Amino acid sequence: DTEVTQTPKHLVMGMTNKKSLKCEQHMGHRAMYWYKQKAKKPPELMFVYSYEKLSINESVPSRFSPECPNSSLLNLHLHALQPEDSALYLCASSQDLKGSSYNEQFFGPGTRLTVL
Amino acid sequence: AQTVTQSQPEMSVQEAETVTLSCTYDTSENNYYLFWYKQPPSRQMILVIRQEAYKQQNATENRFSVNFQKAAKSFSLKISDSQLGDTAMYFCAFMKHWDDKIIFGKGTRLHILP
Repeated sequence: DTEVTQTPKHLVMGMTNKKSLKCEQHMGHRAMYWYKQKAKKPPELMFVYSYEKLSINESVPSRFSPECPNSSLLNLHLHALQPEDSALYLCASSQDLKGSSYNEQFFGPGTRLTVL
Repeated sequence: AQTVTQSQPEMSVQEAETVTLSCTYDTSENNYYLFWYKQPPSRQMILVIRQEAYKQQNATENRFSVNFQKAAKSFSLKISDSQLGDTAMYFCAFMKHWDDKIIFGKGTRLHILP
């Protein structure tokens, strides 16, 4: 299995809603990532988890709350979002092999989020 | 800080033609990786090709090859015998050794015309 899966594919939410995005991989990868991608723009890194611990937070607003319950699963909890948070949210994973200078990131298809 | 610049926002070529996408970058690092990623419309991002900075030989993957000029900090992608399925957004990207952060360029939207 060389896939990163993300659910849901599409999500529409109001500014007062609470929702969660889910990402799953079964490649034995130990690093997982959340990116935000606006239309016609490159992905922007939000968070990195390494061995289920948060290792990078790119100064993301607290209305985005990541969670890594186990090595295969990554969630992004959303609360009180703004319309400008509407974007494609991409998840990625990599082996995160210690002693390796490079670990290829494999991307999921993304969740297209619309905040009304 | 590292930057990646793609000067061609959009390009169109006829099917079966060869096309070259440009990319320049800026870094003070000596050890790093360069990538070209492809993101087709409504489909997921995939890695097309990777180049290690310490390797002088240009990377190739079937119809895709790069022209890596380290001194000039240039990293272009050549697609030979282009196919309709090559239509996508192409991102040039940079990553330091031992790092998790990919620095992406703004992308080049490539249209392959029948």
